[in-house]
Amino acid sequence: KQEVTQIPAALSVPEGENLVLNCSFTDSAIYNLQWFRQDPGKGLTSLLLIQSSQREQTSGRLNASLDKSSGRSTLYIAASQPGDSATYLCAVGVKNTGNQFYFGTGTSLTVIP
Amino acid sequence: DGGITQSPKYLFRKEGQNVTLSCEQNLNHDAMYWYRQDPGQGLRLIYYSQIVNDFQKGDIAEGYSVSREKKESFPLTVTSAQKNPTAFYLCASKRSGIYNEQFFGPGTRLTVL
Repeated sequence: KQEVTQIPAALSVPEGENLVLNCSFTDSAIYNLQWFRQDPGKGLTSLLLIQSSQREQTSGRLNASLDKSSGRSTLYIAASQPGDSATYLCAVGVKNTGNQFYFGTGTSLTVIP
Repeated sequence: DGGITQSPKYLFRKEGQNVTLSCEQNLNHDAMYWYRQDPGQGLRLIYYSQIVNDFQKGDIAEGYSVSREKKESFPLTVTSAQKNPTAFYLCASKRSGIYNEQFFGPGTRLTVL
């Protein structure tokens, strides 16, 4: 069974700092990997989707990379802002599971003004 | 506006009662999903449906039931057989095909009194 891990569980940085969030998965047989943001008590907002054949995707200050062979993805956030404070989750779309996604436990990010 | 709606936002249930959570989407997506989120844990899949009148169990289907009579709707019933139902429930949908991203509703918080 696919296991998805996100380290660290929590991260606190001063405003303006660049930061990297990590996601690792045990089975490289994936279709894609999706990064989400979740604010307290809210649903998930999709940030980036990387297909298994891609190495990275960019949207604004966000850049996500994927190394399928090593089972790792990173989410890079440039010039962090207090509004970036949220929990960030990654999810992998796994082959041979009928379109199922497996989620990590998330990294709680706090950007200090 | 296209999107996914979940109702109610908060739901309180007495022990022994069945309750139904609503999920509606107007994105014309074929696939719909129900997840459960507990503090400190990632999202866990309860049920998913890839087409009308068809659905499959996820990893934690015991004590839950679903129906998919319409493309737009995928209600989840939490039965009295679910021993620990207090959680945050999230509904998601995606276009058919393995390379498309998931979109989430705002969630329903269920509390057992």
